[in-house]
Amino acid sequence: DTVLTQSPALAVSPGERVTISCRASESVSTLMHWYQQKPGQQPKLLIYKASNLASGVPARFSGSGSGTDFTFTIDPVEADDIATYYCHQSWNSPPTFGGGTKLELK
Amino acid sequence: EVQLQQSGAELVRPGTSVKLSCKVSGDTITAYYMHFVKQRPGQGLEWIGRIDPEDDSTKYAEKFKNKATLTADTSSNTAYLKLSSLTSEDTATYFCTTFHVGGYFDYWGQGVMVTVSS
Repeated sequence: DTVLTQSPALAVSPGERVTISCRASESVSTLMHWYQQKPGQQPKLLIYKASNLASGVPARFSGSGSGTDFTFTIDPVEADDIATYYCHQSWNSPPTFGGGTKLELK
Repeated sequence: EVQLQQSGAELVRPGTSVKLSCKVSGDTITAYYMHFVKQRPGQGLEWIGRIDPEDDSTKYAEKFKNKATLTADTSSNTAYLKLSSLTSEDTATYFCTTFHVGGYFDYWGQGVMVTVSS
């Protein structure tokens, strides 16, 4: 299975720029997607196919990458962005998720 | 707007089975591959498998092949996940989600918490 590796946690302040990385154990082309999950809620799609903003998602969120290295950026961070972010690849079967990056307030 | 409504929380005994439902509204279920995802308390997301309600074909993650069974009822626009031989390792929240042809999960159910305890 394709393993996706994310840093487990990042501390941020509102107004800052934050970048989350996701490294795949093998190429996933550009079929990497990003979700936000708040406690007690279902995941929410933010970015699809590496760099495309999902409908209704603010332009503060962005993504880039291809192959094995991907980044997800929030600029600027708002207090409401405190959540866990997951990357997900669908190029290889089975689909897999990263372990999640928890954003915390400094 | 497409919505996925999942059944309520379950408290079940070890060794038994449980069947969870996921009802699609706003579109026909046959328009989507329906996937299910597991999330243990405080942990990440884990793909269980998917069903194509059009022909009932299924695909499972290797570790769930003897644990999970996916079915669908097109007349009620509902997908089901049955979990068997339950242990404490099955205590988790289970989500259903629709798969977009672009390769991502676009709509999600609210999740259902399953607690396995004697």
